[in-house]
Amino acid sequence: EADIYQTPRYLVIGTGKKITLECSQTMGHDKMYWYQQDPGMELHLIHYSYGVNSTEKGDLSSESTVSRIRTEHFPLTLESARPSHTSQYLCASSEYGGGRAQGNIQYFGAGTRLSVL
Amino acid sequence: AQSVSQHNHHVILSEAASLELGCNYSYGGTVNLFWYVQYPGQHLQLLLKYFSGDPLVKGIKGFEAEFIKSKFSFNLRKPSVQWSDTAEYFCAVSLLRADKLIFGTGTRLQVFP
Repeated sequence: EADIYQTPRYLVIGTGKKITLECSQTMGHDKMYWYQQDPGMELHLIHYSYGVNSTEKGDLSSESTVSRIRTEHFPLTLESARPSHTSQYLCASSEYGGGRAQGNIQYFGAGTRLSVL
Repeated sequence: AQSVSQHNHHVILSEAASLELGCNYSYGGTVNLFWYVQYPGQHLQLLLKYFSGDPLVKGIKGFEAEFIKSKFSFNLRKPSVQWSDTAEYFCAVSLLRADKLIFGTGTRLQVFP
């Protein structure tokens, strides 16, 4: 069972508001990720981090920003929410899955379902 | 760019029926392969993974998947499904030693008693 927590689970907010989606993990993983998922669509990577003070943009362009000041915490911020930001946001963290560091296993939080009116 | 295709978007089965969900990827190099499952109201969980070795991998809850390199496929199977298998199933691929996962669009499985 993965120990990765996202809050809030659901958020309904008006256009123009600043929001921060929280993500925390207690597994000591260096790598953390944010995905965006629309209904019936695949998950798209929007941000990732290899450790403290490391942040990178993912494959899908996003107006959100992230920060990584502590290993366990990887919040995502939208400075001015718009209806086009309505989606589900999933946070994940990872460790390597093999002794030869062949690949990583990502553990996911429960997600935040965001609706911007 | 790499991509993952899941051809079955919605599958409806009766309990005890056999299940096979297709997954194909487009990348010619060495890959790591995953199946994740999301039960209603729960987070994504790893069902099984393939990194190397025996191409037939077994996961939790009686699921298995077979990696066929020549077909770029990693199909998920279960000989006899249960109502509790109702969930959404995602296939994902990452390049060897890479961190980014590329997901398919998911297959929604509904199992009726």
